[in-house]
Amino acid sequence: EGQLVESGGGLVKPGGSLRLSCAASGFIFKNAWMTWVRQAPGKGLEWVGRVKSESYGGTIEYTAPVRGRFSISRDDSKNMLNLDMNSLKTEDTAVYYCTTETRFSYGHKVYYGMDVWGQGTTVIVSS
Amino acid sequence: EIVLTQSPGTLSLSPGDRATLSCRVSQSVSSYYLAWYQQKPGQAPRLLIYGASRRANGIPDRFSGSGSGTDFTLTISRLEPEDFAVYYCQQSETFGQGTKVEIK
Repeated sequence: EGQLVESGGGLVKPGGSLRLSCAASGFIFKNAWMTWVRQAPGKGLEWVGRVKSESYGGTIEYTAPVRGRFSISRDDSKNMLNLDMNSLKTEDTAVYYCTTETRFSYGHKVYYGMDVWGQGTTVIVSS
Repeated sequence: EIVLTQSPGTLSLSPGDRATLSCRVSQSVSSYYLAWYQQKPGQAPRLLIYGASRRANGIPDRFSGSGSGTDFTLTISRLEPEDFAVYYCQQSETFGQGTKVEIK
C-alpha cells in the first residue's frame, strides 16, 4: 500500500520562502504523477500543481495564483517530491497535501483519480 | 476555465437515508477525469469514485457515481454514521466547493 509523508511546513513571514518535501514508499514512485493540493483554513481543496513521470516527459503545471512563485521537483532516486515556495503571501496559508494522480487503465480507457494522500503539512504565512 | 458547482452546500440527513450529491460542470467534460472524494475533519481526502462511476479500492458499494457531460452525481444509498463528512468532486485541476453531509 502506498504511503506519502510530507514535511517542511511552518511559520514564515510574507515574502519568505519554504520548501516542502514528500517522501513516498510502497509504490513505484518513478512511474507516478505527483500532485500538490492545498486547503486554506475552513476552505475547500485547491489544486496547486503536478509533475508527470519522466516517461510522460516530466511535464510540470501550476495553478495561476502560484505560477512563477512555486516550483515542483522530483527526485526519483530518492522517491521524493518537493515544493519550493517563494514570495509567500498570507493567502498561501494552508495545509499542503501531496498525492498521487493515478491512471487507472481498463483496456484502452484510462481514468484518473488521486488515490494516495499524505497527512498534510501546515504552512502559515504571517507577520 | 472550468468551474465545478456542487449542490446542495449542506445536506442534513439521518443514518439510513439516501444521499444524492450533485456536481455541475461549466462545460462538457470527459467523465474519465471526474472523481469524488470524502474528507473528514482533520484528515486527508479519500478517493471514493474515479472515472465518474468506478469505485476506488476498498470503497463500500453503498457509494455510487453517475453522470456525463456537465452533470454528475454521487449517491450514498444508505448513510452509515461514518459517512457524515464533506464530499468534493474534481475534474482535472479543478475541485468543487464541497457538500457537507451532516447528521439531522
